[in-house]
Amino acid sequence: DAGVTQSPTHLIKTRGQQVTLRCSPKSGHDTVSWYQQALGQGPQFIFQYYEEEERQRGNFPDRFSGHQFPNYSSELNVNALLLGDSALYLCASSFGTSGGQTQYFGPGTRLLVL
Amino acid sequence: GEDVEQSLFLSVREGDSSVINCTYTDSSSTYLYWYKQEPGAGLQLLTYIFSNMDMKQDQRLTVLLNKKDKHLSLRIADTQTGDSAIYFCAGPLYNTDKLIFGTGTRLQVFP
Repeated sequence: DAGVTQSPTHLIKTRGQQVTLRCSPKSGHDTVSWYQQALGQGPQFIFQYYEEEERQRGNFPDRFSGHQFPNYSSELNVNALLLGDSALYLCASSFGTSGGQTQYFGPGTRLLVL
Repeated sequence: GEDVEQSLFLSVREGDSSVINCTYTDSSSTYLYWYKQEPGAGLQLLTYIFSNMDMKQDQRLTVLLNKKDKHLSLRIADTQTGDSAIYFCAGPLYNTDKLIFGTGTRLQVFP
């Protein structure tokens, strides 16, 4: 039973560039949430996708956008990268959106913006 | 607004018990979670407790929930060097899947 997978594992970009991160949910899950974890901090919720739509969003600017595909996998896109976007980006999957569903996390993508 | 607080560091001797504490402000969470993060890795779900429970035991792990004081704790019995990691408590905002995390407690286990 495959867990949550993310790609790539590491990424280096320069300011102003755009980046796309990918996530495949755990088998049987249909909901994907994205979190940003800055160094030394707890993860911060970016947004959640269910039925190919953004359902919930945290306090992140519009430069952060996403997509969910019919197979439930998801992408996180960040435009106009800033130095402060350097972080570990975590994807979590769960089943349904009834509130308080247990979320299982992937290994993360570490993004460095120079 | 919502807030989850944890102490930053805990150091214990191998074989002793570890107790990691967490306080939260949003009392409407249905579940409260403990996640473990090893260096350079993602988050591993350790255990969770439903909000109408006071205690949950899972092998070496014991979770205590005091809803009146909005206090959650994780006790690890017979702590091993492999338990060295950062531990996060987290809870969802009411009727959402938006998990709010604490800052994490770094547990160091020495021989």
